[in-house]
Amino acid sequence: GAVVSQHPSRVICKSGTSVKIECRSLDFQATTMFWYRQFPKQSLMLMATSNEGSKATYEQGVEKDKFLINHASLTLSTLTVTSAHPEDSSFYICSARDPALLRGNTIYFGEGSWLTVV
Amino acid sequence: AQTVTQSQPEMSVQEAETVTLSCTYDTSESDYYLFWYKQPPSRQMILVIRQEAYKQQNATENRFSVNFQKAAKSFSLKISDSQLGDAAMYFCAYYAPGDDKIIFGKGTRLHILP
Repeated sequence: GAVVSQHPSRVICKSGTSVKIECRSLDFQATTMFWYRQFPKQSLMLMATSNEGSKATYEQGVEKDKFLINHASLTLSTLTVTSAHPEDSSFYICSARDPALLRGNTIYFGEGSWLTVV
Repeated sequence: AQTVTQSQPEMSVQEAETVTLSCTYDTSESDYYLFWYKQPPSRQMILVIRQEAYKQQNATENRFSVNFQKAAKSFSLKISDSQLGDAAMYFCAYYAPGDDKIIFGKGTRLHILP
């Protein structure tokens, strides 16, 4: 079964509104979670690294005020797209690192979220 | 900076045949992990196989195996007895605990011909 759950899988919102996407690790405590954006026919683009109890680390070119990341607990990170615009429409996917020694820093992915801004 | 390169944007293989997907990477780290992920049309990222850099033995998972050449910084994926369900985008990925971020190649789209 899934070890990382992402919700919602699909969301449609009006331009100018905000939308929140949740990422939960189900079987382990994830001190680090990652948020990606994937454009059609392209690879995953790392947006930010979410660290539990501290501020997220954003990649160059990603607007931190637009893509708010909160990692309030060891099993939950949220991405909020604020004042969404049609160009923010995309596939967003999270991942979490399992630090357990036996699983060797394996990184598991959520199911992804399709965001459509109309 | 660490980079991951997949030089084959697309590949095709006949069903039941064997195919090898290429991946090279660049790093100055000594402690790192390499992964192959499969992304079918559903967009779910599925872990195919994982290799720890400190292990000399090539990882194997059923029909999937890797050829890990550490000195050459090469990490190819071999799929044996290809099945129609193997058709997907395959991403090679690199992770170093020191960086705490995973870096992906651009992907290789694999087509399985019946």
